[in-house]
Amino acid sequence: EAGVAQSPRYKIIEKRQSVAFWCNPISGHATLYWYQQILGQGPKLLIQFQNNGVVDDSQLPKDRFSAERLKGVDSTLKIQPAKLEDSAVYLCASSPGTDTGKLFFGSGTQLSVL
Amino acid sequence: SQQGEEDPQALSIQEGENATMNCSYKTSINNLQWYRQNSGRGLVHLILIRSNEREKHSGRLRVTLDTSKKSSSLLITASRAADTASYFCATDEVFGAGTILRVKS
Repeated sequence: EAGVAQSPRYKIIEKRQSVAFWCNPISGHATLYWYQQILGQGPKLLIQFQNNGVVDDSQLPKDRFSAERLKGVDSTLKIQPAKLEDSAVYLCASSPGTDTGKLFFGSGTQLSVL
Repeated sequence: SQQGEEDPQALSIQEGENATMNCSYKTSINNLQWYRQNSGRGLVHLILIRSNEREKHSGRLRVTLDTSKKSSSLLITASRAADTASYFCATDEVFGAGTILRVKS
Protein backbone atom coordinates (compact mmCIF):
# COMPACT_ATOMS: atom_id res chain seq x y z
CA GLU A 1 0.00 0.00 0.00
CA ALA A 2 1.48 3.35 -1.04
CA GLY A 3 1.84 5.90 1.73
CA VAL A 4 0.95 9.58 1.86
CA ALA A 5 2.94 11.42 -0.79
CA GLN A 6 4.06 15.00 -0.34
CA SER A 7 6.06 17.36 -2.52
CA PRO A 8 8.32 19.18 -2.59
CA ARG A 9 10.52 17.78 0.17
CA TYR A 10 12.27 21.10 0.76
CA LYS A 11 11.49 24.67 -0.24
CA ILE A 12 13.39 27.90 0.36
CA ILE A 13 11.72 31.21 -0.44
CA GLU A 14 12.06 34.88 0.37
CA LYS A 15 9.51 36.55 2.62
CA ARG A 16 6.48 37.92 0.81
CA GLN A 17 6.81 35.23 -1.89
CA SER A 18 4.18 32.56 -2.50
CA VAL A 19 4.57 28.82 -2.06
CA ALA A 20 2.40 25.77 -2.59
CA PHE A 21 2.60 22.26 -1.17
CA TRP A 22 0.97 19.17 -2.61
CA CYS A 23 -0.33 16.05 -0.89
CA ASN A 24 -1.71 12.79 -2.25
CA PRO A 25 -3.31 10.74 0.54
CA ILE A 26 -3.57 6.98 0.75
CA SER A 27 -6.07 5.71 -1.77
CA GLY A 28 -9.56 5.52 -0.32
CA HIS A 29 -8.84 7.70 2.71
CA ALA A 30 -11.70 10.14 3.10
CA THR A 31 -10.10 12.44 5.66
CA LEU A 32 -7.07 14.62 4.96
CA TYR A 33 -5.21 16.89 7.36
CA TRP A 34 -2.58 19.59 7.01
CA TYR A 35 -0.35 20.26 10.01
CA GLN A 36 2.32 22.86 10.66
CA GLN A 37 5.25 21.73 12.83
CA ILE A 38 7.63 24.42 14.02
CA LEU A 39 11.04 23.19 15.17
CA GLY A 40 10.87 21.80 18.69
CA GLN A 41 7.08 21.78 18.82
CA GLY A 42 4.30 19.32 18.17
CA PRO A 43 2.26 19.38 14.97
CA LYS A 44 -0.46 22.03 14.90
CA LEU A 45 -3.60 21.25 12.93
CA LEU A 46 -4.23 23.80 10.18
CA ILE A 47 -7.13 22.26 8.29
CA GLN A 48 -9.11 19.02 8.10
CA PHE A 49 -11.01 17.86 5.02
CA GLN A 50 -13.67 15.18 4.83
CA ASN A 51 -13.76 14.19 1.16
CA ASN A 52 -13.71 17.63 -0.49
CA GLY A 53 -15.43 19.52 2.32
CA VAL A 54 -13.74 21.43 5.14
CA VAL A 55 -14.40 20.01 8.62
CA ASP A 56 -12.14 22.29 10.66
CA ASP A 57 -10.07 25.27 9.57
CA SER A 58 -10.25 27.21 12.83
CA GLN A 59 -6.46 27.48 13.16
CA LEU A 60 -5.72 28.29 9.52
CA PRO A 61 -4.47 31.89 9.12
CA LYS A 62 -6.91 32.64 6.36
CA ASP A 63 -5.41 35.99 5.46
CA ARG A 64 -2.40 34.21 3.99
CA PHE A 65 -3.05 30.46 3.97
CA SER A 66 -5.46 28.63 1.70
CA ALA A 67 -6.09 24.97 1.02
CA GLU A 68 -8.22 22.98 -1.32
CA ARG A 69 -9.01 19.35 -1.94
CA LEU A 70 -10.48 19.05 -5.39
CA LYS A 71 -12.43 15.89 -6.17
CA GLY A 72 -11.83 14.66 -2.63
CA VAL A 73 -8.42 13.18 -3.41
CA ASP A 74 -5.20 15.17 -3.47
CA SER A 75 -4.80 18.53 -1.81
CA THR A 76 -2.75 21.70 -2.05
CA LEU A 77 -1.82 24.13 0.70
CA LYS A 78 -0.76 27.62 -0.32
CA ILE A 79 0.88 30.47 1.56
CA GLN A 80 0.67 33.94 0.04
CA PRO A 81 2.55 36.03 1.07
CA ALA A 82 4.96 34.08 3.27
CA LYS A 83 6.35 35.48 6.53
CA LEU A 84 9.51 34.51 8.39
CA GLU A 85 7.43 32.80 11.09
CA ASP A 86 5.99 30.41 8.48
CA SER A 87 9.30 28.53 8.47
CA ALA A 88 8.28 25.04 9.53
CA VAL A 89 7.61 21.52 8.33
CA TYR A 90 4.21 21.13 6.71
CA LEU A 91 2.84 17.65 7.25
CA CYS A 92 -0.04 16.03 5.44
CA ALA A 93 -1.91 13.12 6.99
CA SER A 94 -4.86 10.99 5.99
CA SER A 95 -7.20 8.57 7.69
CA PRO A 96 -9.87 6.21 6.41
CA GLY A 97 -12.98 7.43 8.20
CA THR A 98 -14.83 10.17 9.94
CA ASP A 99 -14.18 9.03 13.53
CA THR A 100 -10.92 10.07 15.13
CA GLY A 101 -8.50 7.27 14.51
CA LYS A 102 -5.07 6.36 13.26
CA LEU A 103 -3.45 9.02 11.10
CA PHE A 104 -1.00 8.17 8.34
CA PHE A 105 1.58 10.89 7.77
CA GLY A 106 3.67 11.90 4.81
CA SER A 107 7.33 12.86 5.20
CA GLY A 108 6.48 16.55 5.10
CA THR A 109 7.71 19.64 3.28
CA GLN A 110 10.38 21.65 5.08
CA LEU A 111 9.85 25.34 4.35
CA SER A 112 12.49 27.97 5.04
CA VAL A 113 11.44 31.61 4.64
CA LEU A 114 14.41 33.98 4.40
CA SER B 1 -3.81 25.32 21.17
CA GLN B 2 -2.34 21.98 22.16
CA GLN B 3 -4.51 19.53 24.04
CA GLY B 4 -1.82 17.18 25.28
CA GLU B 5 1.24 18.05 27.33
CA GLU B 6 4.03 15.51 27.49
CA ASP B 7 6.39 15.05 30.39
CA PRO B 8 9.36 14.99 30.50
CA GLN B 9 10.40 17.22 27.62
CA ALA B 10 13.54 15.14 27.15
CA LEU B 11 14.72 11.78 28.43
CA SER B 12 18.12 10.12 28.08
CA ILE B 13 18.59 6.47 29.03
CA GLN B 14 20.91 3.55 28.42
CA GLU B 15 20.05 0.78 26.01
CA GLY B 16 18.12 -1.94 27.77
CA GLU B 17 16.49 0.38 30.28
CA ASN B 18 12.79 1.22 30.29
CA ALA B 19 11.49 4.62 29.20
CA THR B 20 8.31 6.16 30.55
CA MET B 21 6.65 9.22 29.04
CA ASN B 22 3.55 10.90 30.35
CA CYS B 23 0.80 12.89 28.71
CA SER B 24 -1.85 15.07 30.28
CA TYR B 25 -4.84 16.53 28.49
CA LYS B 26 -7.59 18.99 29.27
CA THR B 27 -10.95 17.93 27.87
CA SER B 28 -12.87 14.69 27.54
CA ILE B 29 -11.66 12.44 24.76
CA ASN B 30 -12.82 9.62 22.50
CA ASN B 31 -9.37 8.09 22.35
CA LEU B 32 -5.71 8.90 22.84
CA GLN B 33 -2.93 8.01 20.47
CA TRP B 34 0.84 7.89 20.65
CA TYR B 35 3.09 8.63 17.69
CA ARG B 36 6.84 8.46 17.08
CA GLN B 37 8.80 10.87 14.91
CA ASN B 38 12.34 10.21 13.82
CA SER B 39 14.41 13.28 12.98
CA GLY B 40 13.37 14.82 9.67
CA ARG B 41 10.58 12.35 9.10
CA GLY B 42 6.81 12.21 9.37
CA LEU B 43 5.01 10.77 12.38
CA VAL B 44 4.36 7.06 12.73
CA HIS B 45 1.38 5.78 14.66
CA LEU B 46 2.30 3.54 17.60
CA ILE B 47 -0.84 2.75 19.53
CA LEU B 48 -4.40 3.94 20.12
CA ILE B 49 -6.24 3.54 23.41
CA ARG B 50 -9.95 4.23 23.65
CA SER B 51 -11.54 6.16 26.48
CA ASN B 52 -13.13 3.00 27.93
CA GLU B 53 -9.79 1.14 28.03
CA ARG B 54 -7.29 1.40 30.86
CA GLU B 55 -4.27 -0.39 29.45
CA LYS B 56 -3.03 -1.61 26.10
CA HIS B 57 0.05 -3.47 24.95
CA SER B 58 1.81 -3.67 21.60
CA GLY B 59 5.15 -5.47 21.52
CA ARG B 60 7.50 -3.56 23.83
CA LEU B 61 4.98 -0.74 24.25
CA ARG B 62 2.54 -0.40 27.12
CA VAL B 63 0.06 2.45 27.29
CA THR B 64 -2.16 3.32 30.22
CA LEU B 65 -5.03 5.76 30.34
CA ASP B 66 -6.56 7.35 33.43
CA THR B 67 -9.55 9.41 32.35
CA SER B 68 -10.22 10.59 35.92
CA LYS B 69 -6.80 12.24 35.97
CA LYS B 70 -6.85 13.07 32.25
CA SER B 71 -3.48 11.45 31.79
CA SER B 72 -1.77 8.68 29.88
CA SER B 73 1.63 7.07 29.99
CA LEU B 74 3.73 5.30 27.38
CA LEU B 75 6.23 2.72 28.57
CA ILE B 76 8.89 1.38 26.24
CA THR B 77 10.55 -1.68 27.73
CA ALA B 78 14.08 -2.91 26.97
CA SER B 79 14.86 0.20 24.94
CA ARG B 80 17.09 0.10 21.88
CA ALA B 81 19.16 2.77 20.16
CA ALA B 82 16.61 2.67 17.33
CA ASP B 83 13.95 3.94 19.77
CA THR B 84 15.71 7.33 19.76
CA ALA B 85 13.01 9.70 18.48
CA SER B 86 10.39 12.22 19.57
CA TYR B 87 7.19 10.80 21.01
CA PHE B 88 3.86 12.63 20.86
CA CYS B 89 0.47 11.99 22.35
CA ALA B 90 -2.60 13.11 20.43
CA THR B 91 -6.23 13.47 21.35
CA ASP B 92 -8.78 14.11 18.62
CA GLU B 93 -6.09 15.08 16.10
CA VAL B 94 -4.52 17.60 18.50
CA PHE B 95 -0.89 16.90 19.40
CA GLY B 96 1.21 17.72 22.42
CA ALA B 97 4.72 19.19 22.33
CA GLY B 98 6.40 15.82 22.58
CA THR B 99 9.11 14.04 24.56
CA ILE B 100 12.55 13.67 23.01
CA LEU B 101 13.93 10.24 23.86
CA ARG B 102 17.60 9.44 23.45
CA VAL B 103 18.74 5.86 23.97
CA LYS B 104 22.48 5.54 24.36
CA SER B 105 24.22 2.35 23.26
